[in-house]
Amino acid sequence: DTGVSQDPRHKITKRGQNVTFRCDPISEHNRLYWYRQTLGQGPEFLTYFQNEAQLEKSRLLSDRFSAERPKGSFSTLEIQRTEQGDSAMYLCASSSRGSLTYNEQFFGPGTRLTVL
Amino acid sequence: AQTVTQSQPEMSVQEAETVTLSCTYDTSENNYYLFWYKQPPSRQMILVIRQEAYKQQNATENRFSVNFQKAAKSFSLKISDSQLGDTAMYFCAFMKHDSGTYKYIFGTGTRLKVLA
Repeated sequence: DTGVSQDPRHKITKRGQNVTFRCDPISEHNRLYWYRQTLGQGPEFLTYFQNEAQLEKSRLLSDRFSAERPKGSFSTLEIQRTEQGDSAMYLCASSSRGSLTYNEQFFGPGTRLTVL
Repeated sequence: AQTVTQSQPEMSVQEAETVTLSCTYDTSENNYYLFWYKQPPSRQMILVIRQEAYKQQNATENRFSVNFQKAAKSFSLKISDSQLGDTAMYFCAFMKHDSGTYKYIFGTGTRLKVLA
């Protein structure tokens, strides 16, 4: 396991469709984060998991967004009834408690969503 | 709420020269971490350097060093002997030390171009 992976890397969908993204963190990492990055902006926090528990959700995460992390391993982020404003790069990051780098987040390559 | 400001949207530097990227932040916290991340074109974000707020000594990683001024809430990144591979977006990020979430708050980024 060499890093955080995300699938798909690119997704083009029509407005109103549902999409789901997957993130596989580094295997020993118990913390998982989702961020959203729009063009010309820094990543914005969406939600955080510690193991399987979702401990925080940003106000950016409307009711159309849902995230899960069953069994504390991979995570999914689903967007229902997509809107053009949802077009962005969705980044996943993970970190580990109890190591010297416990506060360092390791980022995946992102999923670029385009809503037509 | 914490905010992070990067006032230089774009910068350029000649190869082998030195460049400094600025970052300021606003917080009422005393314990926190600061980071610089690099995001090369079409590639994932990687950590460049980190600074613990309780440490007075500025962090250094090879050609990268920071000037951390806690009272001024300033955290600039100096890149010495710039290389073409340093061309990237650079993001400054803030994280509270004792936050249960450990989420990052990012600035808007500085696009650095190293010229041959």
